[in-house]
Amino acid sequence: AQRVTQPEKLLSVFKGAPVELKCNYSYSGSPELFWYVQYSRQRLQLLLRHISRESIKGFTADLNKGETSFHLKKPFAQEEDSAMYYCALRNNFGNEKLTFGTGTRLTIIP
Amino acid sequence: DTAVSQTPKYLVTQMGNDKSIKCEQNLGHDTMYWYKQDSKKFLKIMFSYNNKELIINETVPNRFSPKSPDKAHLNLHINSLELGDSAVYFCASSHVAGELFFGEGSRLTVL
Repeated sequence: AQRVTQPEKLLSVFKGAPVELKCNYSYSGSPELFWYVQYSRQRLQLLLRHISRESIKGFTADLNKGETSFHLKKPFAQEEDSAMYYCALRNNFGNEKLTFGTGTRLTIIP
Repeated sequence: DTAVSQTPKYLVTQMGNDKSIKCEQNLGHDTMYWYKQDSKKFLKIMFSYNNKELIINETVPNRFSPKSPDKAHLNLHINSLELGDSAVYFCASSHVAGELFFGEGSRLTVL
């Protein structure tokens, strides 16, 4: 079974401080990992995926297979980063099942 | 030019009623999904269709019946609504192995 764990339901960070949203997963195969974000009054949208290895809005996430983690990081938080963040995992069986974590609400304190 | 659209956005109904939520995507995607987001913001997949064929059914009660008349539409019909069905239901679509594009959600309140 595939599972995604986000241990922090709520995270508050001061503007300009570093941000780290934790994500751990359990899956026996080789997964594909994603971060999705939901800003206030907007629809859920893709932030980044591990195979792209790119930085989006200053965020990066590295897949650590040894620790089965995919933590989301940003060196300097901005007020517009306040949102709900979901880590997600897709299996490699091709049935397109995307399993989401429970989400972390990030609040940036001005 | 909305990519994934759901109707209605809000639905308030009595226990025991039957209701439907419609979803349409104009992105040319082959795969469509229904997700349920509960009061704690937990997102859980319910169904997935690929080319009108059901490929994922996550132990959802059979009161929930998805219907895909064509690749661009995936509707969700719910019979005998219960209080626990109150949630936000999200439709999404994607190409195979691609990014999911979500609708704005349909908030269902069962009284």
